[in-house]
Amino acid sequence: QPVLTQSSSASASLGSSVKVTCTLSSGHSTNIIAWHQQQPGKAPRYLMKLEGSGNYKKGSGVPDRFSGSSSGADRYLTISNLQSEDEADYYCETWDSNSRVFGGGTKLTVL
Amino acid sequence: EVQLLESGGGLVQPGGSLRLSCAASGFTFTTSPMSWVRQAPGKGLEWVSSISESGSNIYYADPVKGRFTISRDNSKNTLYLQMNSLRADDTAIYSCARIQVAAGIDFWGQGTLVTVSS
Repeated sequence: QPVLTQSSSASASLGSSVKVTCTLSSGHSTNIIAWHQQQPGKAPRYLMKLEGSGNYKKGSGVPDRFSGSSSGADRYLTISNLQSEDEADYYCETWDSNSRVFGGGTKLTVL
Repeated sequence: EVQLLESGGGLVQPGGSLRLSCAASGFTFTTSPMSWVRQAPGKGLEWVSSISESGSNIYYADPVKGRFTISRDNSKNTLYLQMNSLRADDTAIYSCARIQVAAGIDFWGQGTLVTVSS
């Protein structure tokens, strides 16, 4: 089954950009993933589906500031023009034929 | 508007049982695979179980296999999770989630808290 690896934390200044990384384990580098945002005290929210090609499709209402990209086994979530409400935990998710798996999450701090 | 509303959480003693429900509305439940995901206090997301649209295909994470049972009633647009032999490390917020085929989870419920303690 695939394993997803994320850095535990990231930080960036208000109005700047940040790239959050999710790395797929060996043998799963072509997997599609999904990105989810969890603001403090709230339920997770689906952000986007991201393919190995770099094509991504966002969920309803997700701001244009959020985008996705890929390179090999790495999947990226880029947030531009950071806002205070972007301070949250970000999780990647993938799946195989009989299981789903989440990365450990990246806590994003907006300075 | 898509809505997933969980219920049935609460305080239960170790070894006890609990049944969670998730009432779905705002979308075609009968064509949507569904999952349960949990989050222990201060921890990350952990997949628990998934069920196909018809209920014919069911999958569990190893920590809950043999103790938890996922099911659905498509006539009531409701997803269930029967939890038996509960342990302290099952303490978590349990959320139901809609799966978009080949695209991951695309909608989350607010969750219901399950606390296993004596």
